[in-house]
Amino acid sequence: GNSVTQMEGPVTLSEEAFLTINCTYTATGYPSLFWYVQYPGEGLQLLLKATKADDKGSNKGFEATYRKETTSFHLEKGSVQVSDSAVYFCALSRNNQGGKLIFGQGTELSVKP
Amino acid sequence: DAGVIQSPRHEVTEMGQEVTLRCKPISGHNSLFWYRQTMMRGLELLIYFNNNVPIDDSGMPEDRFSAKMPNASFSTLKIQPSEPRDSAVYFCASSPSDPSNQPQHFGDGTRLSIL
Repeated sequence: GNSVTQMEGPVTLSEEAFLTINCTYTATGYPSLFWYVQYPGEGLQLLLKATKADDKGSNKGFEATYRKETTSFHLEKGSVQVSDSAVYFCALSRNNQGGKLIFGQGTELSVKP
Repeated sequence: DAGVIQSPRHEVTEMGQEVTLRCKPISGHNSLFWYRQTMMRGLELLIYFNNNVPIDDSGMPEDRFSAKMPNASFSTLKIQPSEPRDSAVYFCASSPSDPSNQPQHFGDGTRLSIL
């Protein structure tokens, strides 16, 4: 079946450190891939997406590249800020499923000054 | 533009009471999703609708839970009778269903506490 696996958190970094949050997926066909972010007390917000192999999604300094050969969509940012502290969710969707998303378990990021 | 609107934002009630959560999706979105989020189980999809029709309710935990979407601009999630283990944050999300690579837009959630 379809599934998404993320690295376990919490991840604690110092400000300006490099961030990688690993995400791998299992799916038939060619899913679309997403990263969502959830700030404390809020709902999930789309951070970035990629819809086909080798696409790179980017937003707010975050990037992720759709790697079909390794079935991965790792999230990266070159220099994190305290305001990036949140929970990050990797997700996939497949065609003909009405937009249904399969989410990973989420990775909590804490950035210290 | 108005996003997904959920009400109430917070609900505290005693076990055994009926609880009704409400959601107004973004206008023009024809898919609507209900999720539950807890520390123990993370984010779970309960049910989703497409064009007001329930498509997949396999995530609904038991018969105490029911969801309706009487029209394109309104949905409810009802718990009757409520139990303490139903305490969680419940999110509603909407999206255009076609194409399927469109992102879901989430409301701010309803924080439910059953005493």
